[in-house]
Amino acid sequence: AQRVTQPEKLLSVFKGAPVELKCNYSYSGSPELFWYVQYSRQRLQLLLRHISRESIKGFTADLNKGETSFHLKKPFAQEEDSAMYYCALSGPGSQGNLIFGKGTKLSVKP
Amino acid sequence: DTEVTQTPKHLVMGMTNKKSLKCEQHMGHRAMYWYKQKAKKPPELMFVYSYEKLSINESVPSRFSPECPNSSLLNLHLHALQPEDSALYLCASSQVGQRKDTIYFGEGSWLTVV
Repeated sequence: AQRVTQPEKLLSVFKGAPVELKCNYSYSGSPELFWYVQYSRQRLQLLLRHISRESIKGFTADLNKGETSFHLKKPFAQEEDSAMYYCALSGPGSQGNLIFGKGTKLSVKP
Repeated sequence: DTEVTQTPKHLVMGMTNKKSLKCEQHMGHRAMYWYKQKAKKPPELMFVYSYEKLSINESVPSRFSPECPNSSLLNLHLHALQPEDSALYLCASSQVGQRKDTIYFGEGSWLTVV
């Protein structure tokens, strides 16, 4: 069965500290993985997708098929990074629907 | 225009009412979606429309009735809802509905059923 696991509900760090938000997935085929972010009172928006291998707002994520992981990392957290982060897997078939993890709330303290 | 626009932003309805949520996008996307998000939970897929045809219905109760009048519009008709249906309803779209497509979300419609 397709599944996305984000083990941490809440992650609290100080400004300037490194951040790693964990994501593990279960999928029988070739996964398409995304990180979405939801800032307070804003819409859910794409942060990263694994196929583009971009760095957005200093965040990176590498797909590790051996460990079935897609962890999100940033070397130096900023206060404006405080938000809800969802890891998502594109579901089976060709419909592009997303299966979300439960989300991790990141709080960056000054 | 790179946005998905949803109206109304807030809706309060009684259990016997009939109301509709509306969604519009002008990005030329041919796949549109309805998701439901309860408080402090991730979004859950309800329906997928691909080229104006319903392609996925995630076993949603018939009191929710989607409609795609054209490639830019998506409606969700609501009738005889229950209080547990209170949630944030998110509309989204993507280019053609392929697995690698980025899905763009609207701000959502907050629904309260009383």
